[in-house]
Amino acid sequence: GQNIDQPTEMTATEGAIVQINCTYQTSGFNGLFWYQQHAGEAPTFLSYNVLDGLEEKGRFSSFLSRSKGYSYLLLKELQMKDSASYLCAVKDSNYQLIWGAGTKLIIKP
Amino acid sequence: IAGITQAPTSQILAAGRRMTLRCTQDMRHNAMYWYRQDLGLGLRLIHYSNTAGTTGKGEVPDGYSVSRANTDDFPLTLASAVPSQTSVYFCASSDSTGGNSPLHFGNGTRLTVT
Repeated sequence: GQNIDQPTEMTATEGAIVQINCTYQTSGFNGLFWYQQHAGEAPTFLSYNVLDGLEEKGRFSSFLSRSKGYSYLLLKELQMKDSASYLCAVKDSNYQLIWGAGTKLIIKP
Repeated sequence: IAGITQAPTSQILAAGRRMTLRCTQDMRHNAMYWYRQDLGLGLRLIHYSNTAGTTGKGEVPDGYSVSRANTDDFPLTLASAVPSQTSVYFCASSDSTGGNSPLHFGNGTRLTVT
């Protein structure tokens, strides 16, 4: 079956750096997405990776290794507003999105 | 403001009742989706539509139906609600089904079936 694994919850300190990991096993691969979801709100798109390597967008970076079935989202200079759930999703060979359960990130002052 | 509008925002529904969740987008996106989100689980696809006039079943389609009469609207109907359909429902759209098209989500409908 298809599977996306990410930690359920992580805690980090304001101003620090945190890395949220995602491993996947899917039927084919057509890209990996990261979304941010604040409590009670809709998910919003953060990043897309289809080739191996690091994609940087301001304080957020996303890394992909297709051979290892692995990605991470790196958040730098953490702010309180970064407290949210972070969802990893992979497009399979049929271009269907397979979603992880999300990682709840708690930022402490 | 361009985006996706869902209605209602929340609803309490008696088991056995019929309910339609509305979804409208003004971005002229071809593809639309209905997901449910339950605590501890990833988003699960209920139904999707790659283009107006076509629909398909997702991972958890039982008890739900959809229609796509035009590009903008994609309503989701629960024919006879059951308590296990208590969930948060998100409608989403994307420009295409291609690899790099991100989903744009509505604000969700929180449904409680009693």
